[in-house]
Amino acid sequence: AQSVSQHNHHVILSEAASLELGCNYSYGGTVNLFWYVQYPGQHLQLLLKYFSEDPLVKGIKGFEAEFIKSKFSFNLRKPSVQWSDTAEYFCAVNEGYGGSQGNLIFGKGTKLSVKP
Amino acid sequence: DGGITQSPKYLFRKEGQNVTLSCEQNLNHDAMYWYRQDPGQGLRLIYYSQIVNDFQKGDIAEGYSVSREKKESFPLTVTSAQKNPTAFYLCASKSAAGGYVQYEQFFGPGTRLTVL
Repeated sequence: AQSVSQHNHHVILSEAASLELGCNYSYGGTVNLFWYVQYPGQHLQLLLKYFSEDPLVKGIKGFEAEFIKSKFSFNLRKPSVQWSDTAEYFCAVNEGYGGSQGNLIFGKGTKLSVKP
Repeated sequence: DGGITQSPKYLFRKEGQNVTLSCEQNLNHDAMYWYRQDPGQGLRLIYYSQIVNDFQKGDIAEGYSVSREKKESFPLTVTSAQKNPTAFYLCASKSAAGGYVQYEQFFGPGTRLTVL
């Protein structure tokens, strides 16, 4: 079965610091990858997604992610975080085969706290 | 406004009672999903439905049941057989089922269930 690993449970940064959140997946075939964000009290929403195009994907609010196939990784980055980026971030991979194709496998999430 | 609504926002239940969580979408999406979110566990799939009158078990279906009689509705029943039902429940939908893996899932605001 596929799995998604997020390396950090809780990350604490000061405003203007750079961010990189790690995500590794286990599936060796064609994958579609997603980063979702859950701001306090809000819906889970899509930050960005990767679908077999440029491995560097740009998302909303200045976030980007790089797909490195050889490392099975899809790390999320932002050059300079703001207090409003405080949220929980989830990496997810699409099941790529069979009847459950289209289902998402989520990592356990990384909580980001940004100190003003 | 198109979107996914879940009701109620908070739900309290006594042990031994069944309870039904509502999920409605007006996005005309084919596929719908129920997830359970626990702190530090990420999102785990309970049930999913790719078409009306059909649904499949996810990873943690024991103690839950669903129905999909209408395209826009996918209610989840938490039965007394669910040993640890206190959690945050998220409903999601997607434009198409397995054939269009590039479409992301859209999430509702969630229902927080507490068993007293």
